[in-house]
Formats: sequence, C-alpha cells, structure tokens
Amino acid sequence: QATLRESGPALVKPTQTLTLTCTFSGFSLTTGGVCVTWIRQPPGKALEWLALIDWDGDTYYTTSLRTRLTISKDTSKNEVVLTMTNMDPVDTATYYCARAQLVYYDYYMDVWGKGTTVTVSS
Amino acid sequence: QSVLTQSPSASGTPGQRVTISCSGSRSNIGGSTVSWYQHLPGTAPKLLIHSNNQRPSGVPDRFSGSKSGTSASLAISGLQSEDEADYYCAAWDDSLNGPVFGGGTKLTVL
Repeated sequence: QATLRESGPALVKPTQTLTLTCTFSGFSLTTGGVCVTWIRQPPGKALEWLALIDWDGDTYYTTSLRTRLTISKDTSKNEVVLTMTNMDPVDTATYYCARAQLVYYDYYMDVWGKGTTVTVSS
Repeated sequence: QSVLTQSPSASGTPGQRVTISCSGSRSNIGGSTVSWYQHLPGTAPKLLIHSNNQRPSGVPDRFSGSKSGTSASLAISGLQSEDEADYYCAAWDDSLNGPVFGGGTKLTVL
C-alpha cells in the first residue's frame, strides 16, 4: 500500500532555508493523475496547503508563499523535496506530505504522512 | 483566513446525527469536487469523503457527503465518541490554481 514519510530538521533559525523530504513507496509519481503535495498546520491553527507537484512535473504553489517555496521530485529515489526560504517563527508548524489525486477538477489527498514538526527559533 | 468557510465547532450526543457545512464560491466548490478529512491531534489527517460523496474503502457508511452549488456538507450518523476530532473540507480552486481548505470544524461528542 502507499506510504509517505516526511524528514527534515526539527529546528531551524530565522532567515534560514528549510529543506523537507517526502519519501514515498507503493505508488509511482509518473502515473497520470498522481501528485504529491505539502500541507502544514501551525499550532492551534487550520491546515494550510503549500505546494504540489504532479505526475508530469508541473508545480503549483500557494499564492502567499510562492516566492519562498520550491517543490521538486526525484522519481528514481521516490522523493519529493520542499524548500522554504527565509524561515520565520510564524512558519513553526507540523508539515505533512500527502499523495493527491488530480483528474480535471476532482482533487483529493488520499494518503498522508505522519508529519514532521518544525520549530523556527533562534 | 481560509478560502472555504466552516463553522468553528459542532457537537452532538452519542447516536445523534450531525452535519458539518462548508461554504465556498464558484471558483472552488462551485466548479470542483469536495473532499473531507478527519484530523485527530497528533495523527495524520484521514480522507473520509472524496469526489463530493465517495467513501474510500474502510470508512464507515456513517459518514456521508453531499454538495449543492457552492456549498457542501459532511453528515455523521450514529455519532460515536471516537468521532470527536477536527474536520476539514477541501476543493480545487480554479482562480488560485491550487487546492484550498476550510478553517476546520471541531466536533465534540457530549
């Protein structure tokens, strides 16, 4: 079955760049309609979508963070990497990666990783 | 502030039926399908409903979804204590060219 696991630093300093890796198994990111997406949840707040990369390598970013985010994939390693520049304490959150299905306007996230907590503090 | 609007809280007693609503616009719910997620603290969110009203394998049929126009609803019948969680709706937004979430509804089982 499909699984995803997030990895990355638990603590970053303000202004640093965060690099998170999503390692997945049980599916191929070259299959039509299959995507990997990143979502975060700051403490006490709602889920927030960040970025998505689809089977074709097309990338999508949330408008408010577009200039700070980069999502990429390494199909041979079954990895998706998210980088976020210029980290700030407000970016403290649990970061999730998930497999998503996107066929025209039918979109949903069907398998989630357990999440990784990132704290931004000096 | 989330693009999709959900009531912050809902409650019910065991055995009751509760409904959680999600309101959007033509660029998201009005033109896309809606999915629903259950999120318990400290765990990964779980897909409950996709494509407006489809339950993935393993999700009890106590959970059902519907959509009308620019709004959607998640209904939980036969409420159980383990249903106490946060519930989120999501949909693709054509104007933003990405998915959007609701602000979440905290369900309390009294």
